[in-house]
Amino acid sequence: NAGVTQTPKFRVLKTGQSMTLLCAQDMNHEYMYWYRQDPGMGLRLIHYSVGEGTTAKGEVPDGYNVSRLKKQNFLLGLESAAPSQTSVYFCASRLDGYEQYFGPGTRLTVT
Amino acid sequence: AQTVTQSQPEMSVQEAETVTLSCTYDTSENNYYLFWYKQPPSRQMILVIRQEAYKQQNATENRFSVNFQKAAKSFSLKISDSQLGDTAMYFCAFRLLIHTSGTYKYIFGTGTRLKVLA
Repeated sequence: NAGVTQTPKFRVLKTGQSMTLLCAQDMNHEYMYWYRQDPGMGLRLIHYSVGEGTTAKGEVPDGYNVSRLKKQNFLLGLESAAPSQTSVYFCASRLDGYEQYFGPGTRLTVT
Repeated sequence: AQTVTQSQPEMSVQEAETVTLSCTYDTSENNYYLFWYKQPPSRQMILVIRQEAYKQQNATENRFSVNFQKAAKSFSLKISDSQLGDTAMYFCAFRLLIHTSGTYKYIFGTGTRLKVLA
């Protein structure tokens, strides 16, 4: 199993550009999450999904959209990137248990 | 408000010695789970240990153990016989049930950067 993978690993955007981050898991997990990690802030939940076709807002959803069309994929979209969205983005997935399995992260810089 | 506080931004320990990372949290819930995650320079988040709030016995995983004080809302991580590979950022987190939706919410602390010195 590859576990949780994220594409791309790094990206630089200009203000106003759009992009989509892809998270994929091959563990048949129901729950998937998108977090952002900023210095001194820990991880903050952006959006999450409890199953295929469902999404819900987390703590900091503004400026982001998500979709879960297939169970194994959870996409995070930025329609108009802003410098405040410069961060490291982590995807995680979970079955029914307690443990979240994290992807390797995507470092996004918005200039 | 539900929060997790890690008051030690950075710590260092000599190889083979013991170090304790502190974590306090605030919640009005009675049933929840607590976790310590390790994030090495590779950025991959790895679960180190978890504790169920209803269990009084402290969890242990090899060199890692916790001191869980439910009344004090304290959940510290002890690393014994520290190794160079333990150098990482450590995050404390807890999971609680969102009653309105029936889903779970994970709340993370800001992390403690641990450096193991040779």
